[in-house]
Parts: sequence; C-alpha cells; structure tokens
Amino acid sequence: GESVGLHLPTLSVQEGDNSIINCAYSNSASDYFIWYKQESGKGPQFIIDIRSNMDKRQGQRVTVLLNKTVKHLSLQIAATQPGDSAVYFCAENRVGYQKVTFGTGTKLQVIP
Amino acid sequence: EPEVTQTPSHQVTQMGQEVILRCVPISNHLYFYWYRQILGQKVEFLVSFYNNEISEKSEIFDDQFSVERPDGSNFTLKIRSTKLEDSAMYFCASRQDGGIYEQYFGPGTRLTVT
Repeated sequence: GESVGLHLPTLSVQEGDNSIINCAYSNSASDYFIWYKQESGKGPQFIIDIRSNMDKRQGQRVTVLLNKTVKHLSLQIAATQPGDSAVYFCAENRVGYQKVTFGTGTKLQVIP
Repeated sequence: EPEVTQTPSHQVTQMGQEVILRCVPISNHLYFYWYRQILGQKVEFLVSFYNNEISEKSEIFDDQFSVERPDGSNFTLKIRSTKLEDSAMYFCASRQDGGIYEQYFGPGTRLTVT
C-alpha cells in the first residue's frame, strides 16, 4: 500500500547550521509532495510543496529536493533558527483526490 | 491574519457517548477537512467537504462519523458512539479554491475517551 515515511525521528542542529530532513515515499503515482511544520500545541502549517515533474524548489530559507528515481524527498532549511524547532512532516497528494497522506514526523531540535 | 479556530481545545467523554467537535474555517474558504492524529502517530485524513457534501472520505470515516456545515461559518465532526481508540487530536482544515495542499489547519481538539 501507499506510504510516506521519514528516516529519522529526531534531528538536533546547531543554530545557524543548515538542516536536512529526509523522507521516503512509496506511491509513484503521487503528483505533489508537501512539507508541513507542526509546532507544539498547533496544527500543521504548510511550508512548501513540489510537483512530481520537478526536482527542486526553493522558498524563503527552505529548499525541497525530489528524487523520483529513489523515491526520496528532502527539506533543507538554511541558517536554522530556534523558531524552526518543530516536528516536520512530509506528505503527498494525487491530483483529483482531496486526501493528503502524511508521513511520520521528524522532530527538529535547534541548539542555541 | 485569518485563522481556523476549533472548540473545545480538550474534550473528555465516556465510551459510547456522542461528541461534536466544532470548527470555524477561514471565511472565504470553500473546502473543509477533518484529520486526526493519534498520539505519536501520523496525521490521518478523515474526510473532505465541499459544496455541502462529502467529497472524499477515508476508511477510518465509518458510519460512526458524520460532518455538517449547519450554517455559514461552522463545520462540525460528530462521533456517534465513541470508542477508546477514537482518542486523538482532531484537526480541522480549510482552503480556498486552488492548490489542494495549501490547507490551513486549526489548533486541534484533543479528544480523550475513557
């Protein structure tokens, strides 16, 4: 069955360093991949997305990379800040479907 | 900035009781969703709602669940006869017409079934 999963449950990063959060997926039919950030006590917050026909997309301090050959997705956060501490989820969606399938989260801890 | 709100923040109920979780989506949004997150697990899609009807639902969303938009602002999730395994965080989300992934989530309601 389809699944979206993360490699590491916890990632600790020094403030100012770059963070890389990885995700593996199994559904080759996915059209969009999305990264969400969830801070303690809050709902998921959209960060960035990438279409399946792209391999890289950049946002403000964030970059998402997609490698369809190995079904791998990553989120890179530049100059990580304490406010980046949260749980990050990758997720996927297929065009024509409302359902967004979330992966298991990775907790990012930023060390001041 | 407009946001999705949910009430209550925490609901405790006994097994077999009915609960209604309430959400106020962002006012100009057209698509509404419920998700749940069992403690320590993934966020799971339950149902989507558009144009006053369910547009998609997951296998979790069985006959014990129902959704309603009783007026122009509220969106509710009802669980008819709660089970212990219904204990979870329930998130409401909404979006405008457009990018499906740009869903705005509320803060969640923690449901505890005892």
